[in-house]
Amino acid sequence: AQSVTQLDSHVSVSEGTPVLLRCNYSSSYSPSLFWYVQHPNKGLQLLLKYTSAATLVKGINGFEAEFKKSETSFHLTKPSAHMSDAAEYFCVVSLYGSGNTGKLIFGQGTTLQVKP
Amino acid sequence: EAGVTQFPSHSVIEKGQTVTLRCDPISGHDNLYWYRRVMGKEIKFLLHFVKESKQDESGMPNNRFLAERTGGTYSTLKVQPAELEDSGVYFCASSQEEGAPGNTIYFGEGSWLTVV
Repeated sequence: AQSVTQLDSHVSVSEGTPVLLRCNYSSSYSPSLFWYVQHPNKGLQLLLKYTSAATLVKGINGFEAEFKKSETSFHLTKPSAHMSDAAEYFCVVSLYGSGNTGKLIFGQGTTLQVKP
Repeated sequence: EAGVTQFPSHSVIEKGQTVTLRCDPISGHDNLYWYRRVMGKEIKFLLHFVKESKQDESGMPNNRFLAERTGGTYSTLKVQPAELEDSGVYFCASSQEEGAPGNTIYFGEGSWLTVV
């Protein structure tokens, strides 16, 4: 079965310090992986996506994620947190092949708090 | 270009009433998805339309939920009769190419439903 696990429900960092949001996935097929962000009372915005090209993926707002097949991980990082990064982040896997149509499976979400 | 738009953004109804949520996908997107997040749970897939046809409705919780996409343009999701456990956020999403690796799925801002 395919699944996504976000290892932390809440992460708190100080402004200007690095951000690490952890994600592990389980998939029988070659997955496509995404990170989405949801700011308070807003919709889901795509941060970045991995589609079997480069394993280090750069996204918007200075975020990046590295696909590590051996560790089945896709952690999200940012060198320096900004107050505007405070939001909920979702690691997502999309399944292709064998009749799958790209249905998304979401992790539980990680709430990022950024302290001044 | 307009994104995925959803209406209403917020709705408060009494248990037993009916609510209809509407989604307008990005123009030209054949794929339309409904997802929802009930309180304290993950975002879960409900169903997937390709044009006007239901491709996958495996996530629909029960027969109180009815989704339509007449003419392959906008979609509606009707909940009748609404129950307390239906409270949550209903997201609509659309994409251009079905099942293509790396296919980006664009989300709307969600319809926040509260059943009292």
